[in-house]
Order: sequence, then C-alpha cells, then structure tokens
Amino acid sequence: KQEVTQIPAALSVPEGENLVLNCSFTDSAIYNLQWFRQDPGKGLTSLLLIQSSQREQTSGRLNASLDKSSGRSTLYIAASQPGDSATYLCAVSRDDKIIFGKGTRLHILP
Amino acid sequence: ETGVTQSPTHLIKTRGQQVTLRCSSQSGHNTVSWYQQALGQGPQFIFQYYREEENGRGNFPPRFSGLQFPNYSSELNVNALELDDSALYLCASSLGRYTYNEQFFGPGTRLTVL
Repeated sequence: KQEVTQIPAALSVPEGENLVLNCSFTDSAIYNLQWFRQDPGKGLTSLLLIQSSQREQTSGRLNASLDKSSGRSTLYIAASQPGDSATYLCAVSRDDKIIFGKGTRLHILP
Repeated sequence: ETGVTQSPTHLIKTRGQQVTLRCSSQSGHNTVSWYQQALGQGPQFIFQYYREEENGRGNFPPRFSGLQFPNYSSELNVNALELDDSALYLCASSLGRYTYNEQFFGPGTRLTVL
C-alpha cells in the first residue's frame, strides 16, 4: 500500500532564505509526482509535475527533484517571500489512484 | 479559458441528511475527480469519472456516489451524512482518463455536518 510522508509538518523561515521541503513514498512504481500549493481553506494549485522518467522540474524560484529508486522528492524554494506562506502537498500517481501526503505548512517571516 | 468552479462554497447539514455538490470542469477537460480533505490532512481520492463513467474509486462507501454529465460537469452525492463527513470537498479536472494526468483543482466546498 502506497504511503506518502512529508517532513517537516510545519516550517518557519525568515524571508529571503532558501528552503527545502521533503516528500517520501513507499512504493517506487509511480507514474509521476506532483507538488501543489494550498492556501488556507482553498483549493490546490499545481506547482510542478515530474514524470517518473524525469529527475527534476523547474519553474521560476521552484525546483523539484525526484529519486524514484529511493522514494524521495524535494521541493526547493529559492529566495523565499512572505507570499510563499502556504501548505505544500506532494502527491504520487499510479494506475487509477493518486495518493497525497499531509503537507508541510510553510510560514515565511517578514 | 475558464478554470474549475465548485458550488456551493459552504454548506451546513445535519446527520442523516443527503447532500449534492457540484463541479464545473475546466474547458476542454473530459475527466473529473473528487477528493475529501479533512482538517490537517491531505486530500483523499473518492472517485474519478471519465466521459460519464466511473473510472476508479478510493476507499469510500457506496453512500458516496457521483455523476458526470455530457458537458463534463459533475456532481458528488453523499447520502446518510455522518459527522465524519465534515470536510473540504475538492474536485479536479484533467484531460485523459488516468489520475496521473495533470489535475487542476477547484476552490472546494466546505461541508459541515452537525
């Protein structure tokens, strides 16, 4: 049974710092991994999608990596800003299922 | 291009009642998925519809049912509401029948069961 874990559950960092969020999954047989952002009480915004054959994806200040063999992904945020404060979720997909982690609540201190 | 919309935004029901939530897919998308997100948890996959047919289901009881219409809008119906059904319900649309296709989420419906 696939399980997705995100560590840490919460993180506070000063504005301007670079940071890394972690996602691990127990079954490496995935089609892709997706990172989402969720603001309080709102829906999810897709940030990056990495296919199983890819190692990383980049969008602006965001870079996501995937190591399928070790069951790990990281989301790197460069030069953090207060507007980056949100919950970040990762999700892995296979066949007809998508499994989410519980997310990391990120707070950027001005 | 219109994004995914959901209605209503908030809903309060009492235990035992029935509820219908609605979702309008992003233009051009033929697949819709529904998720339940309890407070502090990640979304849990309820089911997916592709071209009006159920195309995958998570570990939810039959009192959770759905429909997809020819215009690819969708409904989630929950019968015999329980207190634990209180959650944010999210729908997501995508192009193609598999959950691994990139999904675009709506803002959600917050359901409170008293």
